[in-house]
Amino acid sequence: GDSVTQMEGPVTLSEEAFLTINCTYTATGYPSLFWYVQYPGEGLQLLLKATKADDKGSNKGFEATYRKETTSFHLEKGSVQVSDSAVYFCALSMGSQGNLIFGKGTKLSVKP
Amino acid sequence: EPEVTQTPSHQVTQMGQEVILRCVPISNHLYFYWYRQILGQKVEFLVSFYNNEISEKSEIFDDQFSVERPDGSNFTLKIRSTKLEDSAMYFCASSREEGRNQPQHFGDGTRLSIL
Repeated sequence: GDSVTQMEGPVTLSEEAFLTINCTYTATGYPSLFWYVQYPGEGLQLLLKATKADDKGSNKGFEATYRKETTSFHLEKGSVQVSDSAVYFCALSMGSQGNLIFGKGTKLSVKP
Repeated sequence: EPEVTQTPSHQVTQMGQEVILRCVPISNHLYFYWYRQILGQKVEFLVSFYNNEISEKSEIFDDQFSVERPDGSNFTLKIRSTKLEDSAMYFCASSREEGRNQPQHFGDGTRLSIL
């Protein structure tokens, strides 16, 4: 079945470091891809999305490019801040109903 | 910015009891979802709901579960006879339109603890 695999966390970085969180997917068709973020004590918030191959989603300095050839959607940010500390979820959506299939989440901690 | 609200934030219930989790989706949204996350595991889809009917459900969503939109604003998830393994964070989500491209907006979740 369709699935999403994310790199295991936790990831600990110093402020202003470069961030990459790997995400790969398996899908029978052409999914839409999403990154959601969960700050402590809060719900899931959409960070960015891409709906077709080679699309780049971006928001708040984060970017991810939909790579069909490698079935990947890696999340990157050039310079992380302490306020980026959160759990990041990669997800895909297929079909007409749009229900999301999530990865396990990657916890990011950014130290000053 | 409008948001999805869920109540209660934490529910503690004895095994075998019925529990109702409540959600108020964003007012102009038409598609509603429930997900759950068992501690340390993935967020899993339970059910989607549109036009007062279930659109799709996962194999997790068995006869113990039901959903309802009792009025124009609330969307509820009922677990009829809770089990220990129902302990999880339950998230409600809504979207304005249907389809794989549409972003879903999530509530902060209800933490359900079964004793």
